[in-house]
Amino acid sequence: DGGITQSPKYLFRKEGQNVTLSCEQNLNHDAMYWYRQDPGQGLRLIYYSQIVNDFQKGDIAEGYSVSREKKESFPLTVTSAQKNPTAFYLCASTSGQALNSPLHFGNGTRLTVT
Amino acid sequence: AQKVTQAQTEISVVEKEDVTLDCVYETRDTTYYLFWYKQPPSGELVFLIRRNSFDEQNEISGRYSWNFQKSTSSFNFTITASQVVDSAVYFCALRGDFQGAQKLVFGQGTRLTINP
Repeated sequence: DGGITQSPKYLFRKEGQNVTLSCEQNLNHDAMYWYRQDPGQGLRLIYYSQIVNDFQKGDIAEGYSVSREKKESFPLTVTSAQKNPTAFYLCASTSGQALNSPLHFGNGTRLTVT
Repeated sequence: AQKVTQAQTEISVVEKEDVTLDCVYETRDTTYYLFWYKQPPSGELVFLIRRNSFDEQNEISGRYSWNFQKSTSSFNFTITASQVVDSAVYFCALRGDFQGAQKLVFGQGTRLTINP
């Protein structure tokens, strides 16, 4: 079955370390997204990519970086510059640029930085 | 700017009660889509429904129904005869083409608890 795979489900890191979250999709979707979820704040967009080798900053891109070298992969790196990295991170994809295309989400990665 | 507001942070009802989740949005776009997603404890967001800005017909799907009113910029979601399995966080979202950015903007979410 097609879907979005995020790994790992739980991730623990020490403060000051960079960490990379994996997101792979086999839906042949062009666009991919990274959202951050904090309690009471809903989902906030970090980065998105509408095509391979291209990506744009979302609303809270500071302290994060991404790459889109392959259509199926969109890894997110949380750098040591991110002040409050502990959160639930969700990756999503959609088939095209049509406004009515719903996003498909992965199961998320819960990152804890101590 | 686009904005989605879900004023109800948490709702708790007893099983079989009807419950309505409110969603109010702001956008300058004339063409846009509204979505509802469900997030069960597993964490994955599950797509429930989408509605475009030109279609104000209400929609019913089993125990779920949606009321879109452009005049009040609202897209409310009602669950009839609620069940424990309906317990989840529900998100309302908006997607328009404002300034070429086709981002999905989410509300803060409403945590719904259905008690047996």
